[in-house]
Amino acid sequence: DQQVKQNSPSLSVQEGRISILNCDYTNSMFDYFLWYKKYPAEGPTFLISISSIKDKNEDGRFTVFLNKSAKHLSLHIVPSQPGDSAVYFCAGWDAGNMLTFGGGTRLMVKP
Amino acid sequence: DTEVTQTPKHLVMGMTNKKSLKCEQHMGHRAMYWYKQKAKKPPELMFVYSYEKLSINESVPSRFSPECPNSSLLNLHLHALQPEDSALYLCASSLTQGEQFFGPGTRLTVL
Repeated sequence: DQQVKQNSPSLSVQEGRISILNCDYTNSMFDYFLWYKKYPAEGPTFLISISSIKDKNEDGRFTVFLNKSAKHLSLHIVPSQPGDSAVYFCAGWDAGNMLTFGGGTRLMVKP
Repeated sequence: DTEVTQTPKHLVMGMTNKKSLKCEQHMGHRAMYWYKQKAKKPPELMFVYSYEKLSINESVPSRFSPECPNSSLLNLHLHALQPEDSALYLCASSLTQGEQFFGPGTRLTVL
């Protein structure tokens, strides 16, 4: 049972435009949702998080939206830059100190 | 110091070898984690240490043996591994509430 799903394995966006990465979850017990960015052969880097009691969190070019009724969250990157090209993982966190990752979406930002 | 360090970066070992992976953090985090990541897959949780005690073991084979000598260090002892154990092994640490800081990983190849 995949508790966190990222249905788009890849996304290609033009530099300067908006990138929207989507994530769906089934576990209502998640307290936080997090986005991580990963370059090849490196560990994931924390990007932004959102509490389950909020619907939006913004940090510079990155905004995460949470729709609890739809069990859906999305990461918006605007404007997209070539350096944003990486694999993005959505993760849900429950009070047991466990992170459950989605399968990842590879973002390619074209100059 | 806001990073998690892991050594070695790369490790090649035979199926009869015994080796250890090391992880260190000096952020005062009391939870530390081992993940295994195969190519094009999300990280899979292996072990969680909370306050230096093993709190979660995700049904990992006994050829992987974790150890937490103190609050800053986490080891993963490897013995009699199989070629399918070849992967990127990631260490992470956290205070609470989701945000886990990941190390760069150890790329393990089992021959």
